[in-house]
Amino acid sequence: AAGVIQSPRHLIKEKRETATLKCYPIPRHDTVYWYQQGPGQDPQFLISFYEKMQSDKGSIPDRFSAQQFSDYHSELNMSSLELGDSALYFCASSLSTRGPAGTDTQYFGPGTRLTVL
Amino acid sequence: AQTVTQSQPEMSVQEAETVTLSCTYDTSENNYYLFWYKQPPSRQMILVIRQEAYKQQNATENRFSVNFQKAAKSFSLKISDSQLGDTAMYFCAFMKDEGYNNNDMRFGAGTRLTVKP
Repeated sequence: AAGVIQSPRHLIKEKRETATLKCYPIPRHDTVYWYQQGPGQDPQFLISFYEKMQSDKGSIPDRFSAQQFSDYHSELNMSSLELGDSALYFCASSLSTRGPAGTDTQYFGPGTRLTVL
Repeated sequence: AQTVTQSQPEMSVQEAETVTLSCTYDTSENNYYLFWYKQPPSRQMILVIRQEAYKQQNATENRFSVNFQKAAKSFSLKISDSQLGDTAMYFCAFMKDEGYNNNDMRFGAGTRLTVKP
């Protein structure tokens, strides 16, 4: 079965640079979530989108922005990168229970490991 | 706010034996979901099992089962016939079920499980 795809898998940036992470949800999933997992930490929710509209917002810094496109893929844009942004960034997707077949269960991609030097 | 507590930072079990991972949560919500995710050394987040709060029957997936005690706000994971491939970090997660909104998951700090040969 198709899974969530994230690209790139690894990214190295310098401080104050920008980074763009991409997420391609499971086909027919309508909701995308972004999480940040620091070293030795549990994943922390950043932001989610349902049907291309922002749905929920967590601890996402103002330097970060995200959107979901017409093909349901999502991009997380990170500017003015700081050393503390080094983390594993997960995208997850789900099929919302707003529809008859939805379960809201989130399936995670493999993550993008961002290293800020 | 919802909190998830995993009181066992590390556990170990012999291959083929049974182990139980503990999870408690705090919420004033009546409708919600609970999950166990597994994160092996590859760092992939893999769904292990899901429980709807309105269901009294405990969820089971092959060797994995839960003991869901809603009144006690407890959600433990039992792994039977442990296998070396079960070695991973296990996260307990909580998600509200508001129906009209797509909610982020709140994770516990994780329990690192090692299966010994």
